[in-house]
Amino acid sequence: GESVGLHLPTLSVQEGDNSIINCAYSNSASDYFIWYKQESGKGPQFIIDIRSNMDKRQGQRVTVLLNKTVKHLSLQIAATQPGDSAVYFCAETPGYSTLTFGKGTMLLVSP
Amino acid sequence: GAVVSQHPSWVICKSGTSVKIECRSLDFQATTMFWYRQFPKQSLMLMATSNEGSKATYEQGVEKDKFLINHASLTLSTLTVTSAHPEDSSFYICSARGSGLEETQYFGPGTRLLVL
Repeated sequence: GESVGLHLPTLSVQEGDNSIINCAYSNSASDYFIWYKQESGKGPQFIIDIRSNMDKRQGQRVTVLLNKTVKHLSLQIAATQPGDSAVYFCAETPGYSTLTFGKGTMLLVSP
Repeated sequence: GAVVSQHPSWVICKSGTSVKIECRSLDFQATTMFWYRQFPKQSLMLMATSNEGSKATYEQGVEKDKFLINHASLTLSTLTVTSAHPEDSSFYICSARGSGLEETQYFGPGTRLLVL
């Protein structure tokens, strides 16, 4: 079936830098997208979501951008902190259906 | 945000025994719950979708007789790993979705299973 993939398996940044995590999706029918953060040994934590009728959505220190033309999703984290170190997953779904998860990107933040 | 709990958080058992994992939505009613399995450094793999009061829908390759799922109420779903073997050792995570049109799934903290 179609899947969601990520370009970078590991991203290393310095504390205070801005981080950008990318995700490519292939299911053109997907209309709802979510970013999750998963710390070691814990379940995924909801960060932010976006629907296909939007191209940008902002939260606290995070911004999600959606480019439906090239089926690309990104998560921007401003002023990255050591506590942001985790694996980040994008997930997509066509309507009220099951989520398809990407492979994940590990974000490593150095002090 | 919505809170989902799992119990136990970790369990060690002998090969051949059965293990039950509980998933509860604490502050909302979950008409649908999902069970995932995750291996180290890998993404989440959906095992089954459970709707309250009906039989679970299993993903291809997941044995329904081995992974028994019960969703008897709007706040509780259970996963029972029957006759567990070492290859069943994994991180099991549940998620829950509310009864409205909101598609967001909220995840539990996961259960680490080690079968000796």
